[in-house]
Amino acid sequence: GENVEQHPSTLSVQEGDSAVIKCTYSDSASNYFPWYKQELGKRPQLIIDIRSNVGEKKDQRIAVTLNKTAKHFSLHITETQPEDSAVYFCAASGYSTLTFGKGTMLLVSP
Amino acid sequence: GAVVSQHPSRVICKSGTSVKIECRSLDFQATTMFWYRQFPKQSLMLMATSNEGSKATYEQGVEKDKFLINHASLTLSTLTVTSAHPEDSSFYICSARNRPPSYEQYFGPGTRLTVT
Repeated sequence: GENVEQHPSTLSVQEGDSAVIKCTYSDSASNYFPWYKQELGKRPQLIIDIRSNVGEKKDQRIAVTLNKTAKHFSLHITETQPEDSAVYFCAASGYSTLTFGKGTMLLVSP
Repeated sequence: GAVVSQHPSRVICKSGTSVKIECRSLDFQATTMFWYRQFPKQSLMLMATSNEGSKATYEQGVEKDKFLINHASLTLSTLTVTSAHPEDSSFYICSARNRPPSYEQYFGPGTRLTVT
């Protein structure tokens, strides 16, 4: 089955800095890669996703890149704000179940 | 994005009793719903995949007789934790996926189960 590795497990940045979270996956058949943000005690919220026919996608301060050859994808957050502080999960799937990474706790200090 | 509700948000029950959790897709028809379990400071662990009108598919290590899943309609799936024990205490989250070719999964707000 699919295996998703996510790094780093924690990331501390100053407000205004950029943050990058990286994930690798094992199943070359995976073609859908979403990123979720989860605040403490709340549901995961889909913040951006990318499909395997695209190399990069951007939505305001958030961008995701995908390298299918290397089987890795990354989340980039620019101009971070304290409200970006949360746990971020990457995931990978074909058209079936999502396999999640272990999560990255992002702390943005004012 | 699509809205998924989950009820109850919190439940405390005594050991040996059963608890039912409901997951509803409010503004779309979910042909597939998923049930996850999340321990503190950990990732989401898929328990089972539920397709409307058919039996759920359970992940390895998940007892199907203990975690009963029913997906009777395109907008409702239920998870019943039978004969609950303290080790079943956890955060249970459902998600729902729209009809193909949609890939996106939308999560419910979760249910905090505490078994005393």
